[in-house]
Amino acid sequence: ETGVTQTPRHLVMGMTNKKSLKCEQHLGHNAMYWYKQSAKKPLELMFVYNFKEQTENNSVPSRFSPECPNSSHLFLHLHTLQPEDSALYLCASSQDSGPKAARNYGYTFGSGTRLTVV
Amino acid sequence: DQQVKQNSPSLSVQEGRISILNCDYTNSMFDYFLWYKKYPAEGPTFLISISSIKDKNEDGRFTVFLNKSAKHLSLHIVPSQPGDSAVYFCAASAGDMRFGAGTRLTVKP
Repeated sequence: ETGVTQTPRHLVMGMTNKKSLKCEQHLGHNAMYWYKQSAKKPLELMFVYNFKEQTENNSVPSRFSPECPNSSHLFLHLHTLQPEDSALYLCASSQDSGPKAARNYGYTFGSGTRLTVV
Repeated sequence: DQQVKQNSPSLSVQEGRISILNCDYTNSMFDYFLWYKKYPAEGPTFLISISSIKDKNEDGRFTVFLNKSAKHLSLHIVPSQPGDSAVYFCAASAGDMRFGAGTRLTVKP
């Protein structure tokens, strides 16, 4: 257990469903991230939150909607997804954001949610 | 725009030999580089890093080399052990972190 917990671990949803992914960290980190990992592709940065404020939205379709109610929790709300959205969704956190994050041992990742859209 | 590239999707080495994983990048603004290791059903975990002002950083069996002029870095694992079998991600930072697609290392007993 890394200190970043993601639930559920696996999720199968239909294209008309609405579901949410949850991420929780109790490391005292101030920044949280959503990444998407598709097969044989680089991890794609989706959203960045720093002190609960969204600082980056990396051209993500609106069917993905993040929410960060506090520095310890991050959600990814999903609706009307497409089969190509099937992937491993990874949450990460870091003490600082920006350049400082890399110097402080980078990001701490959760185990991910394996999402399948049918 | 893939700024960090790992061109070898897989690598297989014999236990006890050296494993060399390679990574290339395009953004000259990257000033910090990291390697992450990922086991199945787990998230990536930090392994080793290097600042752009250095060309080598060593931690036990793991050494990262940086060649800024070639925009290339590599991870050397010696001696390789079966427990090193995992997917290795290269990452680079000029702010937020950008990752490569990963290289799956298999160390055979």
